[in-house]
Amino acid sequence: EDQVTQSPEALRLQEGESSSLNCSYTVSGLRGLFWYRQDPGKGPEFLFTLYSAGEEKEKERLKATLTKKESFLHITAPKPEDSATYLCAVRVYGGSQGNLIFGKGTKLSVKP
Amino acid sequence: KAGVTQTPRYLIKTRGQQVTLSCSPISGHRSVSWYQQTPGQGLQFLFEYFSETQRNKGNFPGRFSGRQFSNSRSEMNVSTLELGDSALYLCASSPDLSLGTQYFGPGTRLLVL
Repeated sequence: EDQVTQSPEALRLQEGESSSLNCSYTVSGLRGLFWYRQDPGKGPEFLFTLYSAGEEKEKERLKATLTKKESFLHITAPKPEDSATYLCAVRVYGGSQGNLIFGKGTKLSVKP
Repeated sequence: KAGVTQTPRYLIKTRGQQVTLSCSPISGHRSVSWYQQTPGQGLQFLFEYFSETQRNKGNFPGRFSGRQFSNSRSEMNVSTLELGDSALYLCASSPDLSLGTQYFGPGTRLLVL
């Protein structure tokens, strides 16, 4: 069964303390890996799409990377406004679980 | 460009009632997907519509249904509501069927009493 696991479930950082979030996946055929940010009570906000191993994307303090089994979201010198839940999702070829399969997310808290 | 819009934003219903939620996709997007988000299960796919036809369906009971109109707007309906249907219902649009990035709306918060 296609599966997406995110770790850690929660992460507390001090402002300026860089770290990485992990998204590991077990899928039959990857058609794309997506990172979203979700603030409480709001819909997920799109961050990055990655399609093939070795691909990297950057946006401000965030950098997403992809290997054949996992993706990392690196956060450099985070600020309190980066506090949110970060969701990883995959789209697979002929998946039985539907369109996008989401991980449970990593809740990031950045303290000033 | 305006984003995905969903109405209503909040809804309170009682068990046994039915509810209809509405979603307007980003202009030019032809695919609309629906998801249910709960604290325990996270985001789970309900169904995807493209060209007024359901193209993909998740593992939800038949009480959950939807439709898409010729202008790509979509509605989802839940009949015979149960307490466990309380959730945030999210709509996402993408330019084409099962391709490209999905952009999410703000969601409809449904509370079933």
